[in-house]
Amino acid sequence: EVQLVESGGGVVRPGGSLRLSCAASGFTFDDFGMTWVRQAPGKGLEWVSTVTWNGVSTNYADSVKGRFTISRDNAKNSLYLQMSSLRAEDTAFYHCARVDGSSWNLFDYWGQGTPVTVSS
Amino acid sequence: EIVLTQSPGTLSLSPGERVTLSCRASETVSSSYLAWYQQKPGQAPRLLVYGAASRATGIPDRFSGSGSGTDFTLTISRLEPEDSAVYHCQQYGSSPPTFGQGTKLEIK
Repeated sequence: EVQLVESGGGVVRPGGSLRLSCAASGFTFDDFGMTWVRQAPGKGLEWVSTVTWNGVSTNYADSVKGRFTISRDNAKNSLYLQMSSLRAEDTAFYHCARVDGSSWNLFDYWGQGTPVTVSS
Repeated sequence: EIVLTQSPGTLSLSPGERVTLSCRASETVSSSYLAWYQQKPGQAPRLLVYGAASRATGIPDRFSGSGSGTDFTLTISRLEPEDSAVYHCQQYGSSPPTFGQGTKLEIK
């Protein structure tokens, strides 16, 4: 069974930093790209960033480009999102998800998410 | 980027009824790369349909997707209490991938 478990969320002041983690199990982690998607309170889902299976290629939403960094450690079956220069509008639940093998932008398994609150 | 608009925003129906949810795109969705997800409170989103009409693994045939171009629908026949959830559509044919704002379905 595919399982994705996020951690690392919390409350941070504007301008601060936070690192999210996603522990993967139940599949061969380094066979798949991985992604982060967030959901702000009362809003729809918003794609944040994707990384290829080997970590070589990454892609970011314009709203986080230059502030967030996605990475992975295949030896630890883990995905990360380093967030810096955080803003109030970054407040959201952050989900990690697996990229479907058939399409770069289709996400077939998701985690429950970890909450991030940016507030002074 | 492609903007997806879902309707209705919320609805309340009874078990056994049939419902059709709508997702309209601001421009043509390439290759009908349109997906639907179900999200229950406190749970991870679950992929229901991809390619506009293909059911994901383990999804019952009560769920069916259709459409092309800019207009897509998700139909749930014979509603069950556990179908209470928010339903999201997503286009994945062009970057960045984008989602609709969601439709909240309540089963009375």
